[in-house]
Amino acid sequence: DAGVIQSPRHEVTEMGQEVTLRCKPISGHNSLFWYRQTMMRGLELLIYFNNNVPIDDSGMPEDRFSAKMPNASFSTLKIQPSEPRDSAVYFCATNRDSTYEQYFGPGTRLTVT
Amino acid sequence: AQKVTQAQTEISVVEKEDVTLDCVYETRDTTYYLFWYKQPPSGELVFLIRRNSFDEQNEISGRYSWNFQKSTSSFNFTITASQVVDSAVYFCALTLNTGNQFYFGTGTSLTVIP
Repeated sequence: DAGVIQSPRHEVTEMGQEVTLRCKPISGHNSLFWYRQTMMRGLELLIYFNNNVPIDDSGMPEDRFSAKMPNASFSTLKIQPSEPRDSAVYFCATNRDSTYEQYFGPGTRLTVT
Repeated sequence: AQKVTQAQTEISVVEKEDVTLDCVYETRDTTYYLFWYKQPPSGELVFLIRRNSFDEQNEISGRYSWNFQKSTSSFNFTITASQVVDSAVYFCALTLNTGNQFYFGTGTSLTVIP
């Protein structure tokens, strides 16, 4: 079975540009999570969806960040405009039930110059 | 509130030594689930084990073993006869029966020296 798929794997962009990160969950998983990992802050939960509905977005740092899940097979995390402090690895993770293990995608390494 | 503490920030061991990674959790819920993840240098987070609060049996999988003790709110992870490939950051996490959020510890960076 395919795991969680994220694209792109690497993104380098200039400050002020729009960035869109994509995630395809494991089939049958009904919850999807977006995390950000940095050396300073560790692993932070940004937002999670259950059955395509955003449940908790309290971790989204600013209005520059937005996330959508238009269907069970796809989610996006958008940053507009991007800033150098947004540089991090962004992970998407999914699970089939709230109490089950999350499976992580390979991550997107974002660098904003 | 829920919290997971991994007090060991970095550990170095020589190959073939045994090493234990500590995890202490806090929650007032009686039903909860504990997890360990491995993050090797390549960056991906790999699921290792899930444990529920009603099952205190220790688990062994090859060179890996886990000791869950509710009395001390700990879920420790031991690697026996460590190998260089065990070098990674290891995260402990907690989730409740009533929600979907995972509470991750800050991770322990393990370096196995050949």
